Formats: sequence, structure tokens, C-alpha cells
Amino acid sequence: KQEVTQIPAALSVPEGENLVLNCSFTDSAIYNLQWFRQDPGKGLTSLLLIQSSQREQTSGRLNASLDKSSGRSTLYIAASQPGDSATYLCAVNTGNQFYFGTGTSLTVIP
Amino acid sequence: NAGVTQTPKFQVLKTGQSMTLQCAQDMNHEYMSWYRQDPGMGLRLIHYSVGAGITDQGEVPNGYNVSRSTTEDFPLRLLSAAPSQTSVYFCASGLYEQYFGPGTRLTVT
Repeated sequence: KQEVTQIPAALSVPEGENLVLNCSFTDSAIYNLQWFRQDPGKGLTSLLLIQSSQREQTSGRLNASLDKSSGRSTLYIAASQPGDSATYLCAVNTGNQFYFGTGTSLTVIP
Repeated sequence: NAGVTQTPKFQVLKTGQSMTLQCAQDMNHEYMSWYRQDPGMGLRLIHYSVGAGITDQGEVPNGYNVSRSTTEDFPLRLLSAAPSQTSVYFCASGLYEQYFGPGTRLTVT
């Protein structure tokens, strides 16, 4: 069974700092990996999707990398802003099921 | 553009009551799924469907039923609610990239 882990569980940084969120998974046979943002009491918003054949995907200040062989993905957020405060989740797609990590709760301090 | 919609947003049930959580999508996705989200446990897959008439169990299916009669709708039924089913329920659609509904917060007393 696929296990997905996100470290750290919580992170607090001052505004303007660059930061990295980590996601690891136990089975490298994945179809793709998706990063989501979740605000308190809300649903999940897709940030980036990275296919298993890709190494990186970028959207604005966000960059996701994928190393399938080592079972790792990182989400890099540049020049963090208070509006980036949320929980970030990664999910691996095995073809017909998605497995989620428990998320990293990010607080960006003004 | 509605995307994925869920009703109700909030629900309180007594133990033993039944209810149906509604989910609809307008993106013509064949794949739809239901998750529950509990503190410290992340999202766990309850049931999923790869098309009308086809459903399968996920990681935590006990106590829940689903059916898929149309591409658009994928209701989740709780036949006899238990306090352990207190959770936030999310419906999602899309197999390549997942799109989520806003969630239903269910409390069972």
C-alpha cells in the first residue's frame, strides 16, 4: 500500500523567506503527483500537477520537483507572503487511486 | 462554472440515522471519488467510481454505500450513522487531475 509522508507537519516563516515543503512516498510506481492548498474550513485547490516523466513544474512563485526513483517531491515557494498561509497537501496518483499525505501547515508572519 | 458541488455543507445526525451526501460535477469526468478528512490522518479514500454503473471500495468503505447512475452524480449514503463517522467529507472528480468540492462537515451525536 502506498504511504505518503509530509515533513514538517507545521512551519512558521517570516514574510519574504523562500521555503521548501517535502513529500515522500513509498512506491515509485506512480502516474503523477499533485500539490494542493487547503485553507481552514475549505476544500482543496490544485496548485501543481507533475507527471511521473517530469522532473519539475512551475507556476508563478511555486516550483514542484519530482524524483520518482527516490520517492520524493518538493514544493518550493519563493518570496513567501502572508496570503500563502494554509495547509499544503501532496497526493500521489497510482492510476486509479490517490494517496494523500497529512499536510504541512504553513504560517507566514508579516 | 460550477465544477464539483456538494450538499449539504453541514449536517448533524443522531446515531443510527441515515442520510445521503450529494455530489455533482459538470466536467464530464468519468472518475469520481469520496474522501473523509480527519485530524492527523489526512484524506482517506472511501469509494470511487470509474464511470456510470461502476464503483469500487477505497481504504475505508465500511458503513458507506455508493452508486453511480449518471456521469454527473455520485451520492454517498450512510445507512446507520455512528459517532466514528464524524468527519469532513470531500467529493472529487477527475482521474488525471483531481478537482474537489467544498466539503460536507458531518457530526454524529
